[in-house]
Amino acid sequence: QVQLVESGGGVVQPGGSLRLSCAASGFTFSSYGMHWVRLAPGKGLEWVASIRYDGNEKYYADSVKGRFTISRDNSKNTLFMQMNSLRAEDTAIYYCTFPQYYFGPGDSGAFEVWGQGIMVSVSS
Amino acid sequence: DIQMTQSPSTLSASVGDSVTITCRASQSISSWLAWYQQKPGKAPKLLIYKASNLEDGVPSRFAGSGSGTEFTLTINSLQPDDFATYYCQQYNTFSHFGGGTKVEIK
Repeated sequence: QVQLVESGGGVVQPGGSLRLSCAASGFTFSSYGMHWVRLAPGKGLEWVASIRYDGNEKYYADSVKGRFTISRDNSKNTLFMQMNSLRAEDTAIYYCTFPQYYFGPGDSGAFEVWGQGIMVSVSS
Repeated sequence: DIQMTQSPSTLSASVGDSVTITCRASQSISSWLAWYQQKPGKAPKLLIYKASNLEDGVPSRFAGSGSGTEFTLTINSLQPDDFATYYCQQYNTFSHFGGGTKVEIK
């Protein structure tokens, strides 16, 4: 069945770095745009970044632009998020997700499939 | 960026009530809107896509409507399993979520 499994989270000091991974299975990973969404404590869902199926287009929320880099390895069915210059406000559960059937006019869609989420905590 | 404004932020209701959540976009998004339900410790669950289409397996007491800049999610006859937080999401241009509506037990 279709599955997304995130890994790589943890506790990091402000200014530090982390690399999240999302292992995909059960579908043709190289055919789909992929996305990261986060949920900070006491806050709502926030879209973080997106990458097109071939990796040639990437989009970022203003809050992470210049600090986070989304990438993918289609040969390994894996999505990544390199997070640098981390701040306390980046503390959140990070989900990888994608629209399997319900696409929008751009490179997004309604997200039917979600990973279980991975916690990132930025604290001194 | 397209801003999504959800109201109310909290809603108190009883089992059997009907409730409505509103989502407004800062510019027209046609019908490119989805609704999600999220419970603590769980990933969001897609309920509605393209403003009014029910995702497979979602009970028919959930209904979405609207187009352009104004959208609503109605839950008819609230069930105990429906107490959760609900989010709208525009996917016309990139993706942006509303601030969420927590539906709690009165």
